[in-house]
Amino acid sequence: QSVLTQPPSVSAAPGQKVTISCSGSSSNIGNNYVSWYQQLPGTAPKLLIYDNNKRPSGIPDRFSGSKSGTSATLGITGLQTGDEADYYCGTWDSSLRGGVFGGGTKLTVL
Amino acid sequence: EVQLVQSGAEVKKPGESLKISCKGSGYSFTSYWIGWVRQMPGKGLEWMGIIYPGDSDTRYSPSFQGQVTISADKSISTAYLQWSSLKASDTAMYYCARFVVVTATIDFWGQGTLVTVSS
Repeated sequence: QSVLTQPPSVSAAPGQKVTISCSGSSSNIGNNYVSWYQQLPGTAPKLLIYDNNKRPSGIPDRFSGSKSGTSATLGITGLQTGDEADYYCGTWDSSLRGGVFGGGTKLTVL
Repeated sequence: EVQLVQSGAEVKKPGESLKISCKGSGYSFTSYWIGWVRQMPGKGLEWMGIIYPGDSDTRYSPSFQGQVTISADKSISTAYLQWSSLKASDTAMYYCARFVVVTATIDFWGQGTLVTVSS
């Protein structure tokens, strides 16, 4: 039902790399910046990536973002157990004239 | 330090009214949009709407238009989310957030207000 489509879950072993995709359309990702948010269990979301690929101060370079056309990708390298969380992509939708999120992806670090 | 501090958890009955708050500090409250985001139990994030405290310009997401009212009092750097008649389906965590509209980025989040509606 979400405007942006993310896989429900991904998993990988500690130390490995994982990518999370976010698919949209020309009215949202295709013509607007994408942000990524991390929500650790029981806490408020936190900004992880903004402007498609920029990291706020304090976010390690293990986290990266990219965008191509109407899709965006979050990459996490050197996985740690502390990275287990829900990850959401977000952007603006020009047709809806409002913000939109992906459905969220649960990351499990095995 | 930018902070958004929300009011405490609420337990209400169906049909009751409610107004929750979000107080900003550490930045110019009138220069940034404030957004409200709903998270139903075990579910994802949903945009509800945004307000620009500088002039109270307000935009609602289609799903929430007519269901809630977003307002702000710039004199006390506080934004509000209110319901006139709560339903059980309004049970959720509600987050306020500072929204940078040019890049559609939420750069700071409140801690959340849990609203429980039950008879």
